[in-house]
Amino acid sequence: EIVLTQSPGTLSLSPGERATLSCRASQSVSRTYLAWYQQKPGQAPRLLIYGASSRATGVPDRFSGSASGTDFTLTISGLEPEDFAVYYCQHYNDSPLTFGGGTRVEIK
Amino acid sequence: QVQLVQSGAEVKKPGASVKVSCKASGYTFPSYDINWVRQATGQGLEWMGWMNPNSGNTGYAQKFQGRVTMTRDTSINTAYMELSSLRSEDTAVYYCARGLGYYDSSGHYTVLPFEVWGQGTMVSVSS
Repeated sequence: EIVLTQSPGTLSLSPGERATLSCRASQSVSRTYLAWYQQKPGQAPRLLIYGASSRATGVPDRFSGSASGTDFTLTISGLEPEDFAVYYCQHYNDSPLTFGGGTRVEIK
Repeated sequence: QVQLVQSGAEVKKPGASVKVSCKASGYTFPSYDINWVRQATGQGLEWMGWMNPNSGNTGYAQKFQGRVTMTRDTSINTAYMELSSLRSEDTAVYYCARGLGYYDSSGHYTVLPFEVWGQGTMVSVSS
């Protein structure tokens, strides 16, 4: 089973700041099958990034993803009020599919 | 528009079973796998398994093997997830999500992320 470790657990930032979220895989993960989701309280997750760096339909371009080996990064270039939420990474190829533990981005 | 609409909240006693439905609309139901993901209050996301609505083939996470059954009724574009032998630790919001396998008209298979999610169904297990 591929374990995805997200860090930090919580990120306290102000609107307008840059957020950098990390997701490290316990073994090789094809970047083709790495996704990022955003979840707000009381809502279902929303797909942001797939294939490590491709934005889903309707996702603003302040969200970007990158990959280097087993390390994946989600960057939010300038936080908007609606971006404060929990973010999860996921690999979606080999079974079992797994999610990271999540990073909460909170208002400082 | 493309959407998945789930059944309402459930309250069950330990040892009972629960069956949650997920009705698809706005797309070709048999062409996309349906997955089930659960989330305990304040916790992360946990994938339970997948089902192909066309063939009925399934794949379950080892943790749920023997307790979970995923089925479908293609006549009403609805997927189901039944979890048996419920215990308090199964208290969670259960989501269906479209993703993993997509089969086009040529039978070509593509792996997709979870692009569409249901609104979630709260299942509470308490004596």
